[in-house]
Amino acid sequence: QSVLTQPPSVSAPPGQKVTISCAGSSSNIGNNYVSWYQHLPGTAPKLLIYENNKRPSGIPDRFSGSKSGTSATLGITGLQTGDEADYYCGTWDTSLSAGVFGGGTKLTVL
Amino acid sequence: QVQLQESGPGLVKPSETLSLTCAVSGYSFSSGYYWGWIRQTPGKGLEWIGSIYHSGNTYYNPSLKRRVTISLDTSKNQFSLKLNSVTAADAALYYCARVGNLVVGPFFDHWGQGTLVTVSS
Repeated sequence: QSVLTQPPSVSAPPGQKVTISCAGSSSNIGNNYVSWYQHLPGTAPKLLIYENNKRPSGIPDRFSGSKSGTSATLGITGLQTGDEADYYCGTWDTSLSAGVFGGGTKLTVL
Repeated sequence: QVQLQESGPGLVKPSETLSLTCAVSGYSFSSGYYWGWIRQTPGKGLEWIGSIYHSGNTYYNPSLKRRVTISLDTSKNQFSLKLNSVTAADAALYYCARVGNLVVGPFFDHWGQGTLVTVSS
């Protein structure tokens, strides 16, 4: 069982918007930065968002991140079939002194 | 550009030691950042194993701490993972990565392609 809680799956049609939630606690999300990753089978995870809402160079602005209290959200607009992947949130847990990830959310673009 | 490449045996016997190395190119350890190992077990999500700073300072996942050692070889620009007393539960796809902001909210911005480790006699 993961320290951070994500929905197992989300889906939306092409061109639409989807959000993926990541719930934690004051010992992790509440007091630390959140990052988000896209993981396609057979490839290395790709960093989409760091420090809650910053995008690395090369990541389109269709991807956005936000944080409120002990939860974080990844938003993806203009969905494309190529966005079908597993998405993970991650942060540091101060109580555990450990990096932690969510269990992952499988995005299906219908 | 920063590139990472894992290497090591793909098959380890139960109770033995898993040893992997990550070669880094395009970036010097002395310039900063943490470096870490993450694994993905079959059908499951990502698990942070541990990270090491260029100074040698380390952080380990508490659930693996008794069995894990991460070390750095700055002369070869590589870092290594050793996991002792492996069981079938340690079979996974192991990734190495560069880590920013480790203790305030880490982000893994460059990853190796991953190496699959099977545990079997």
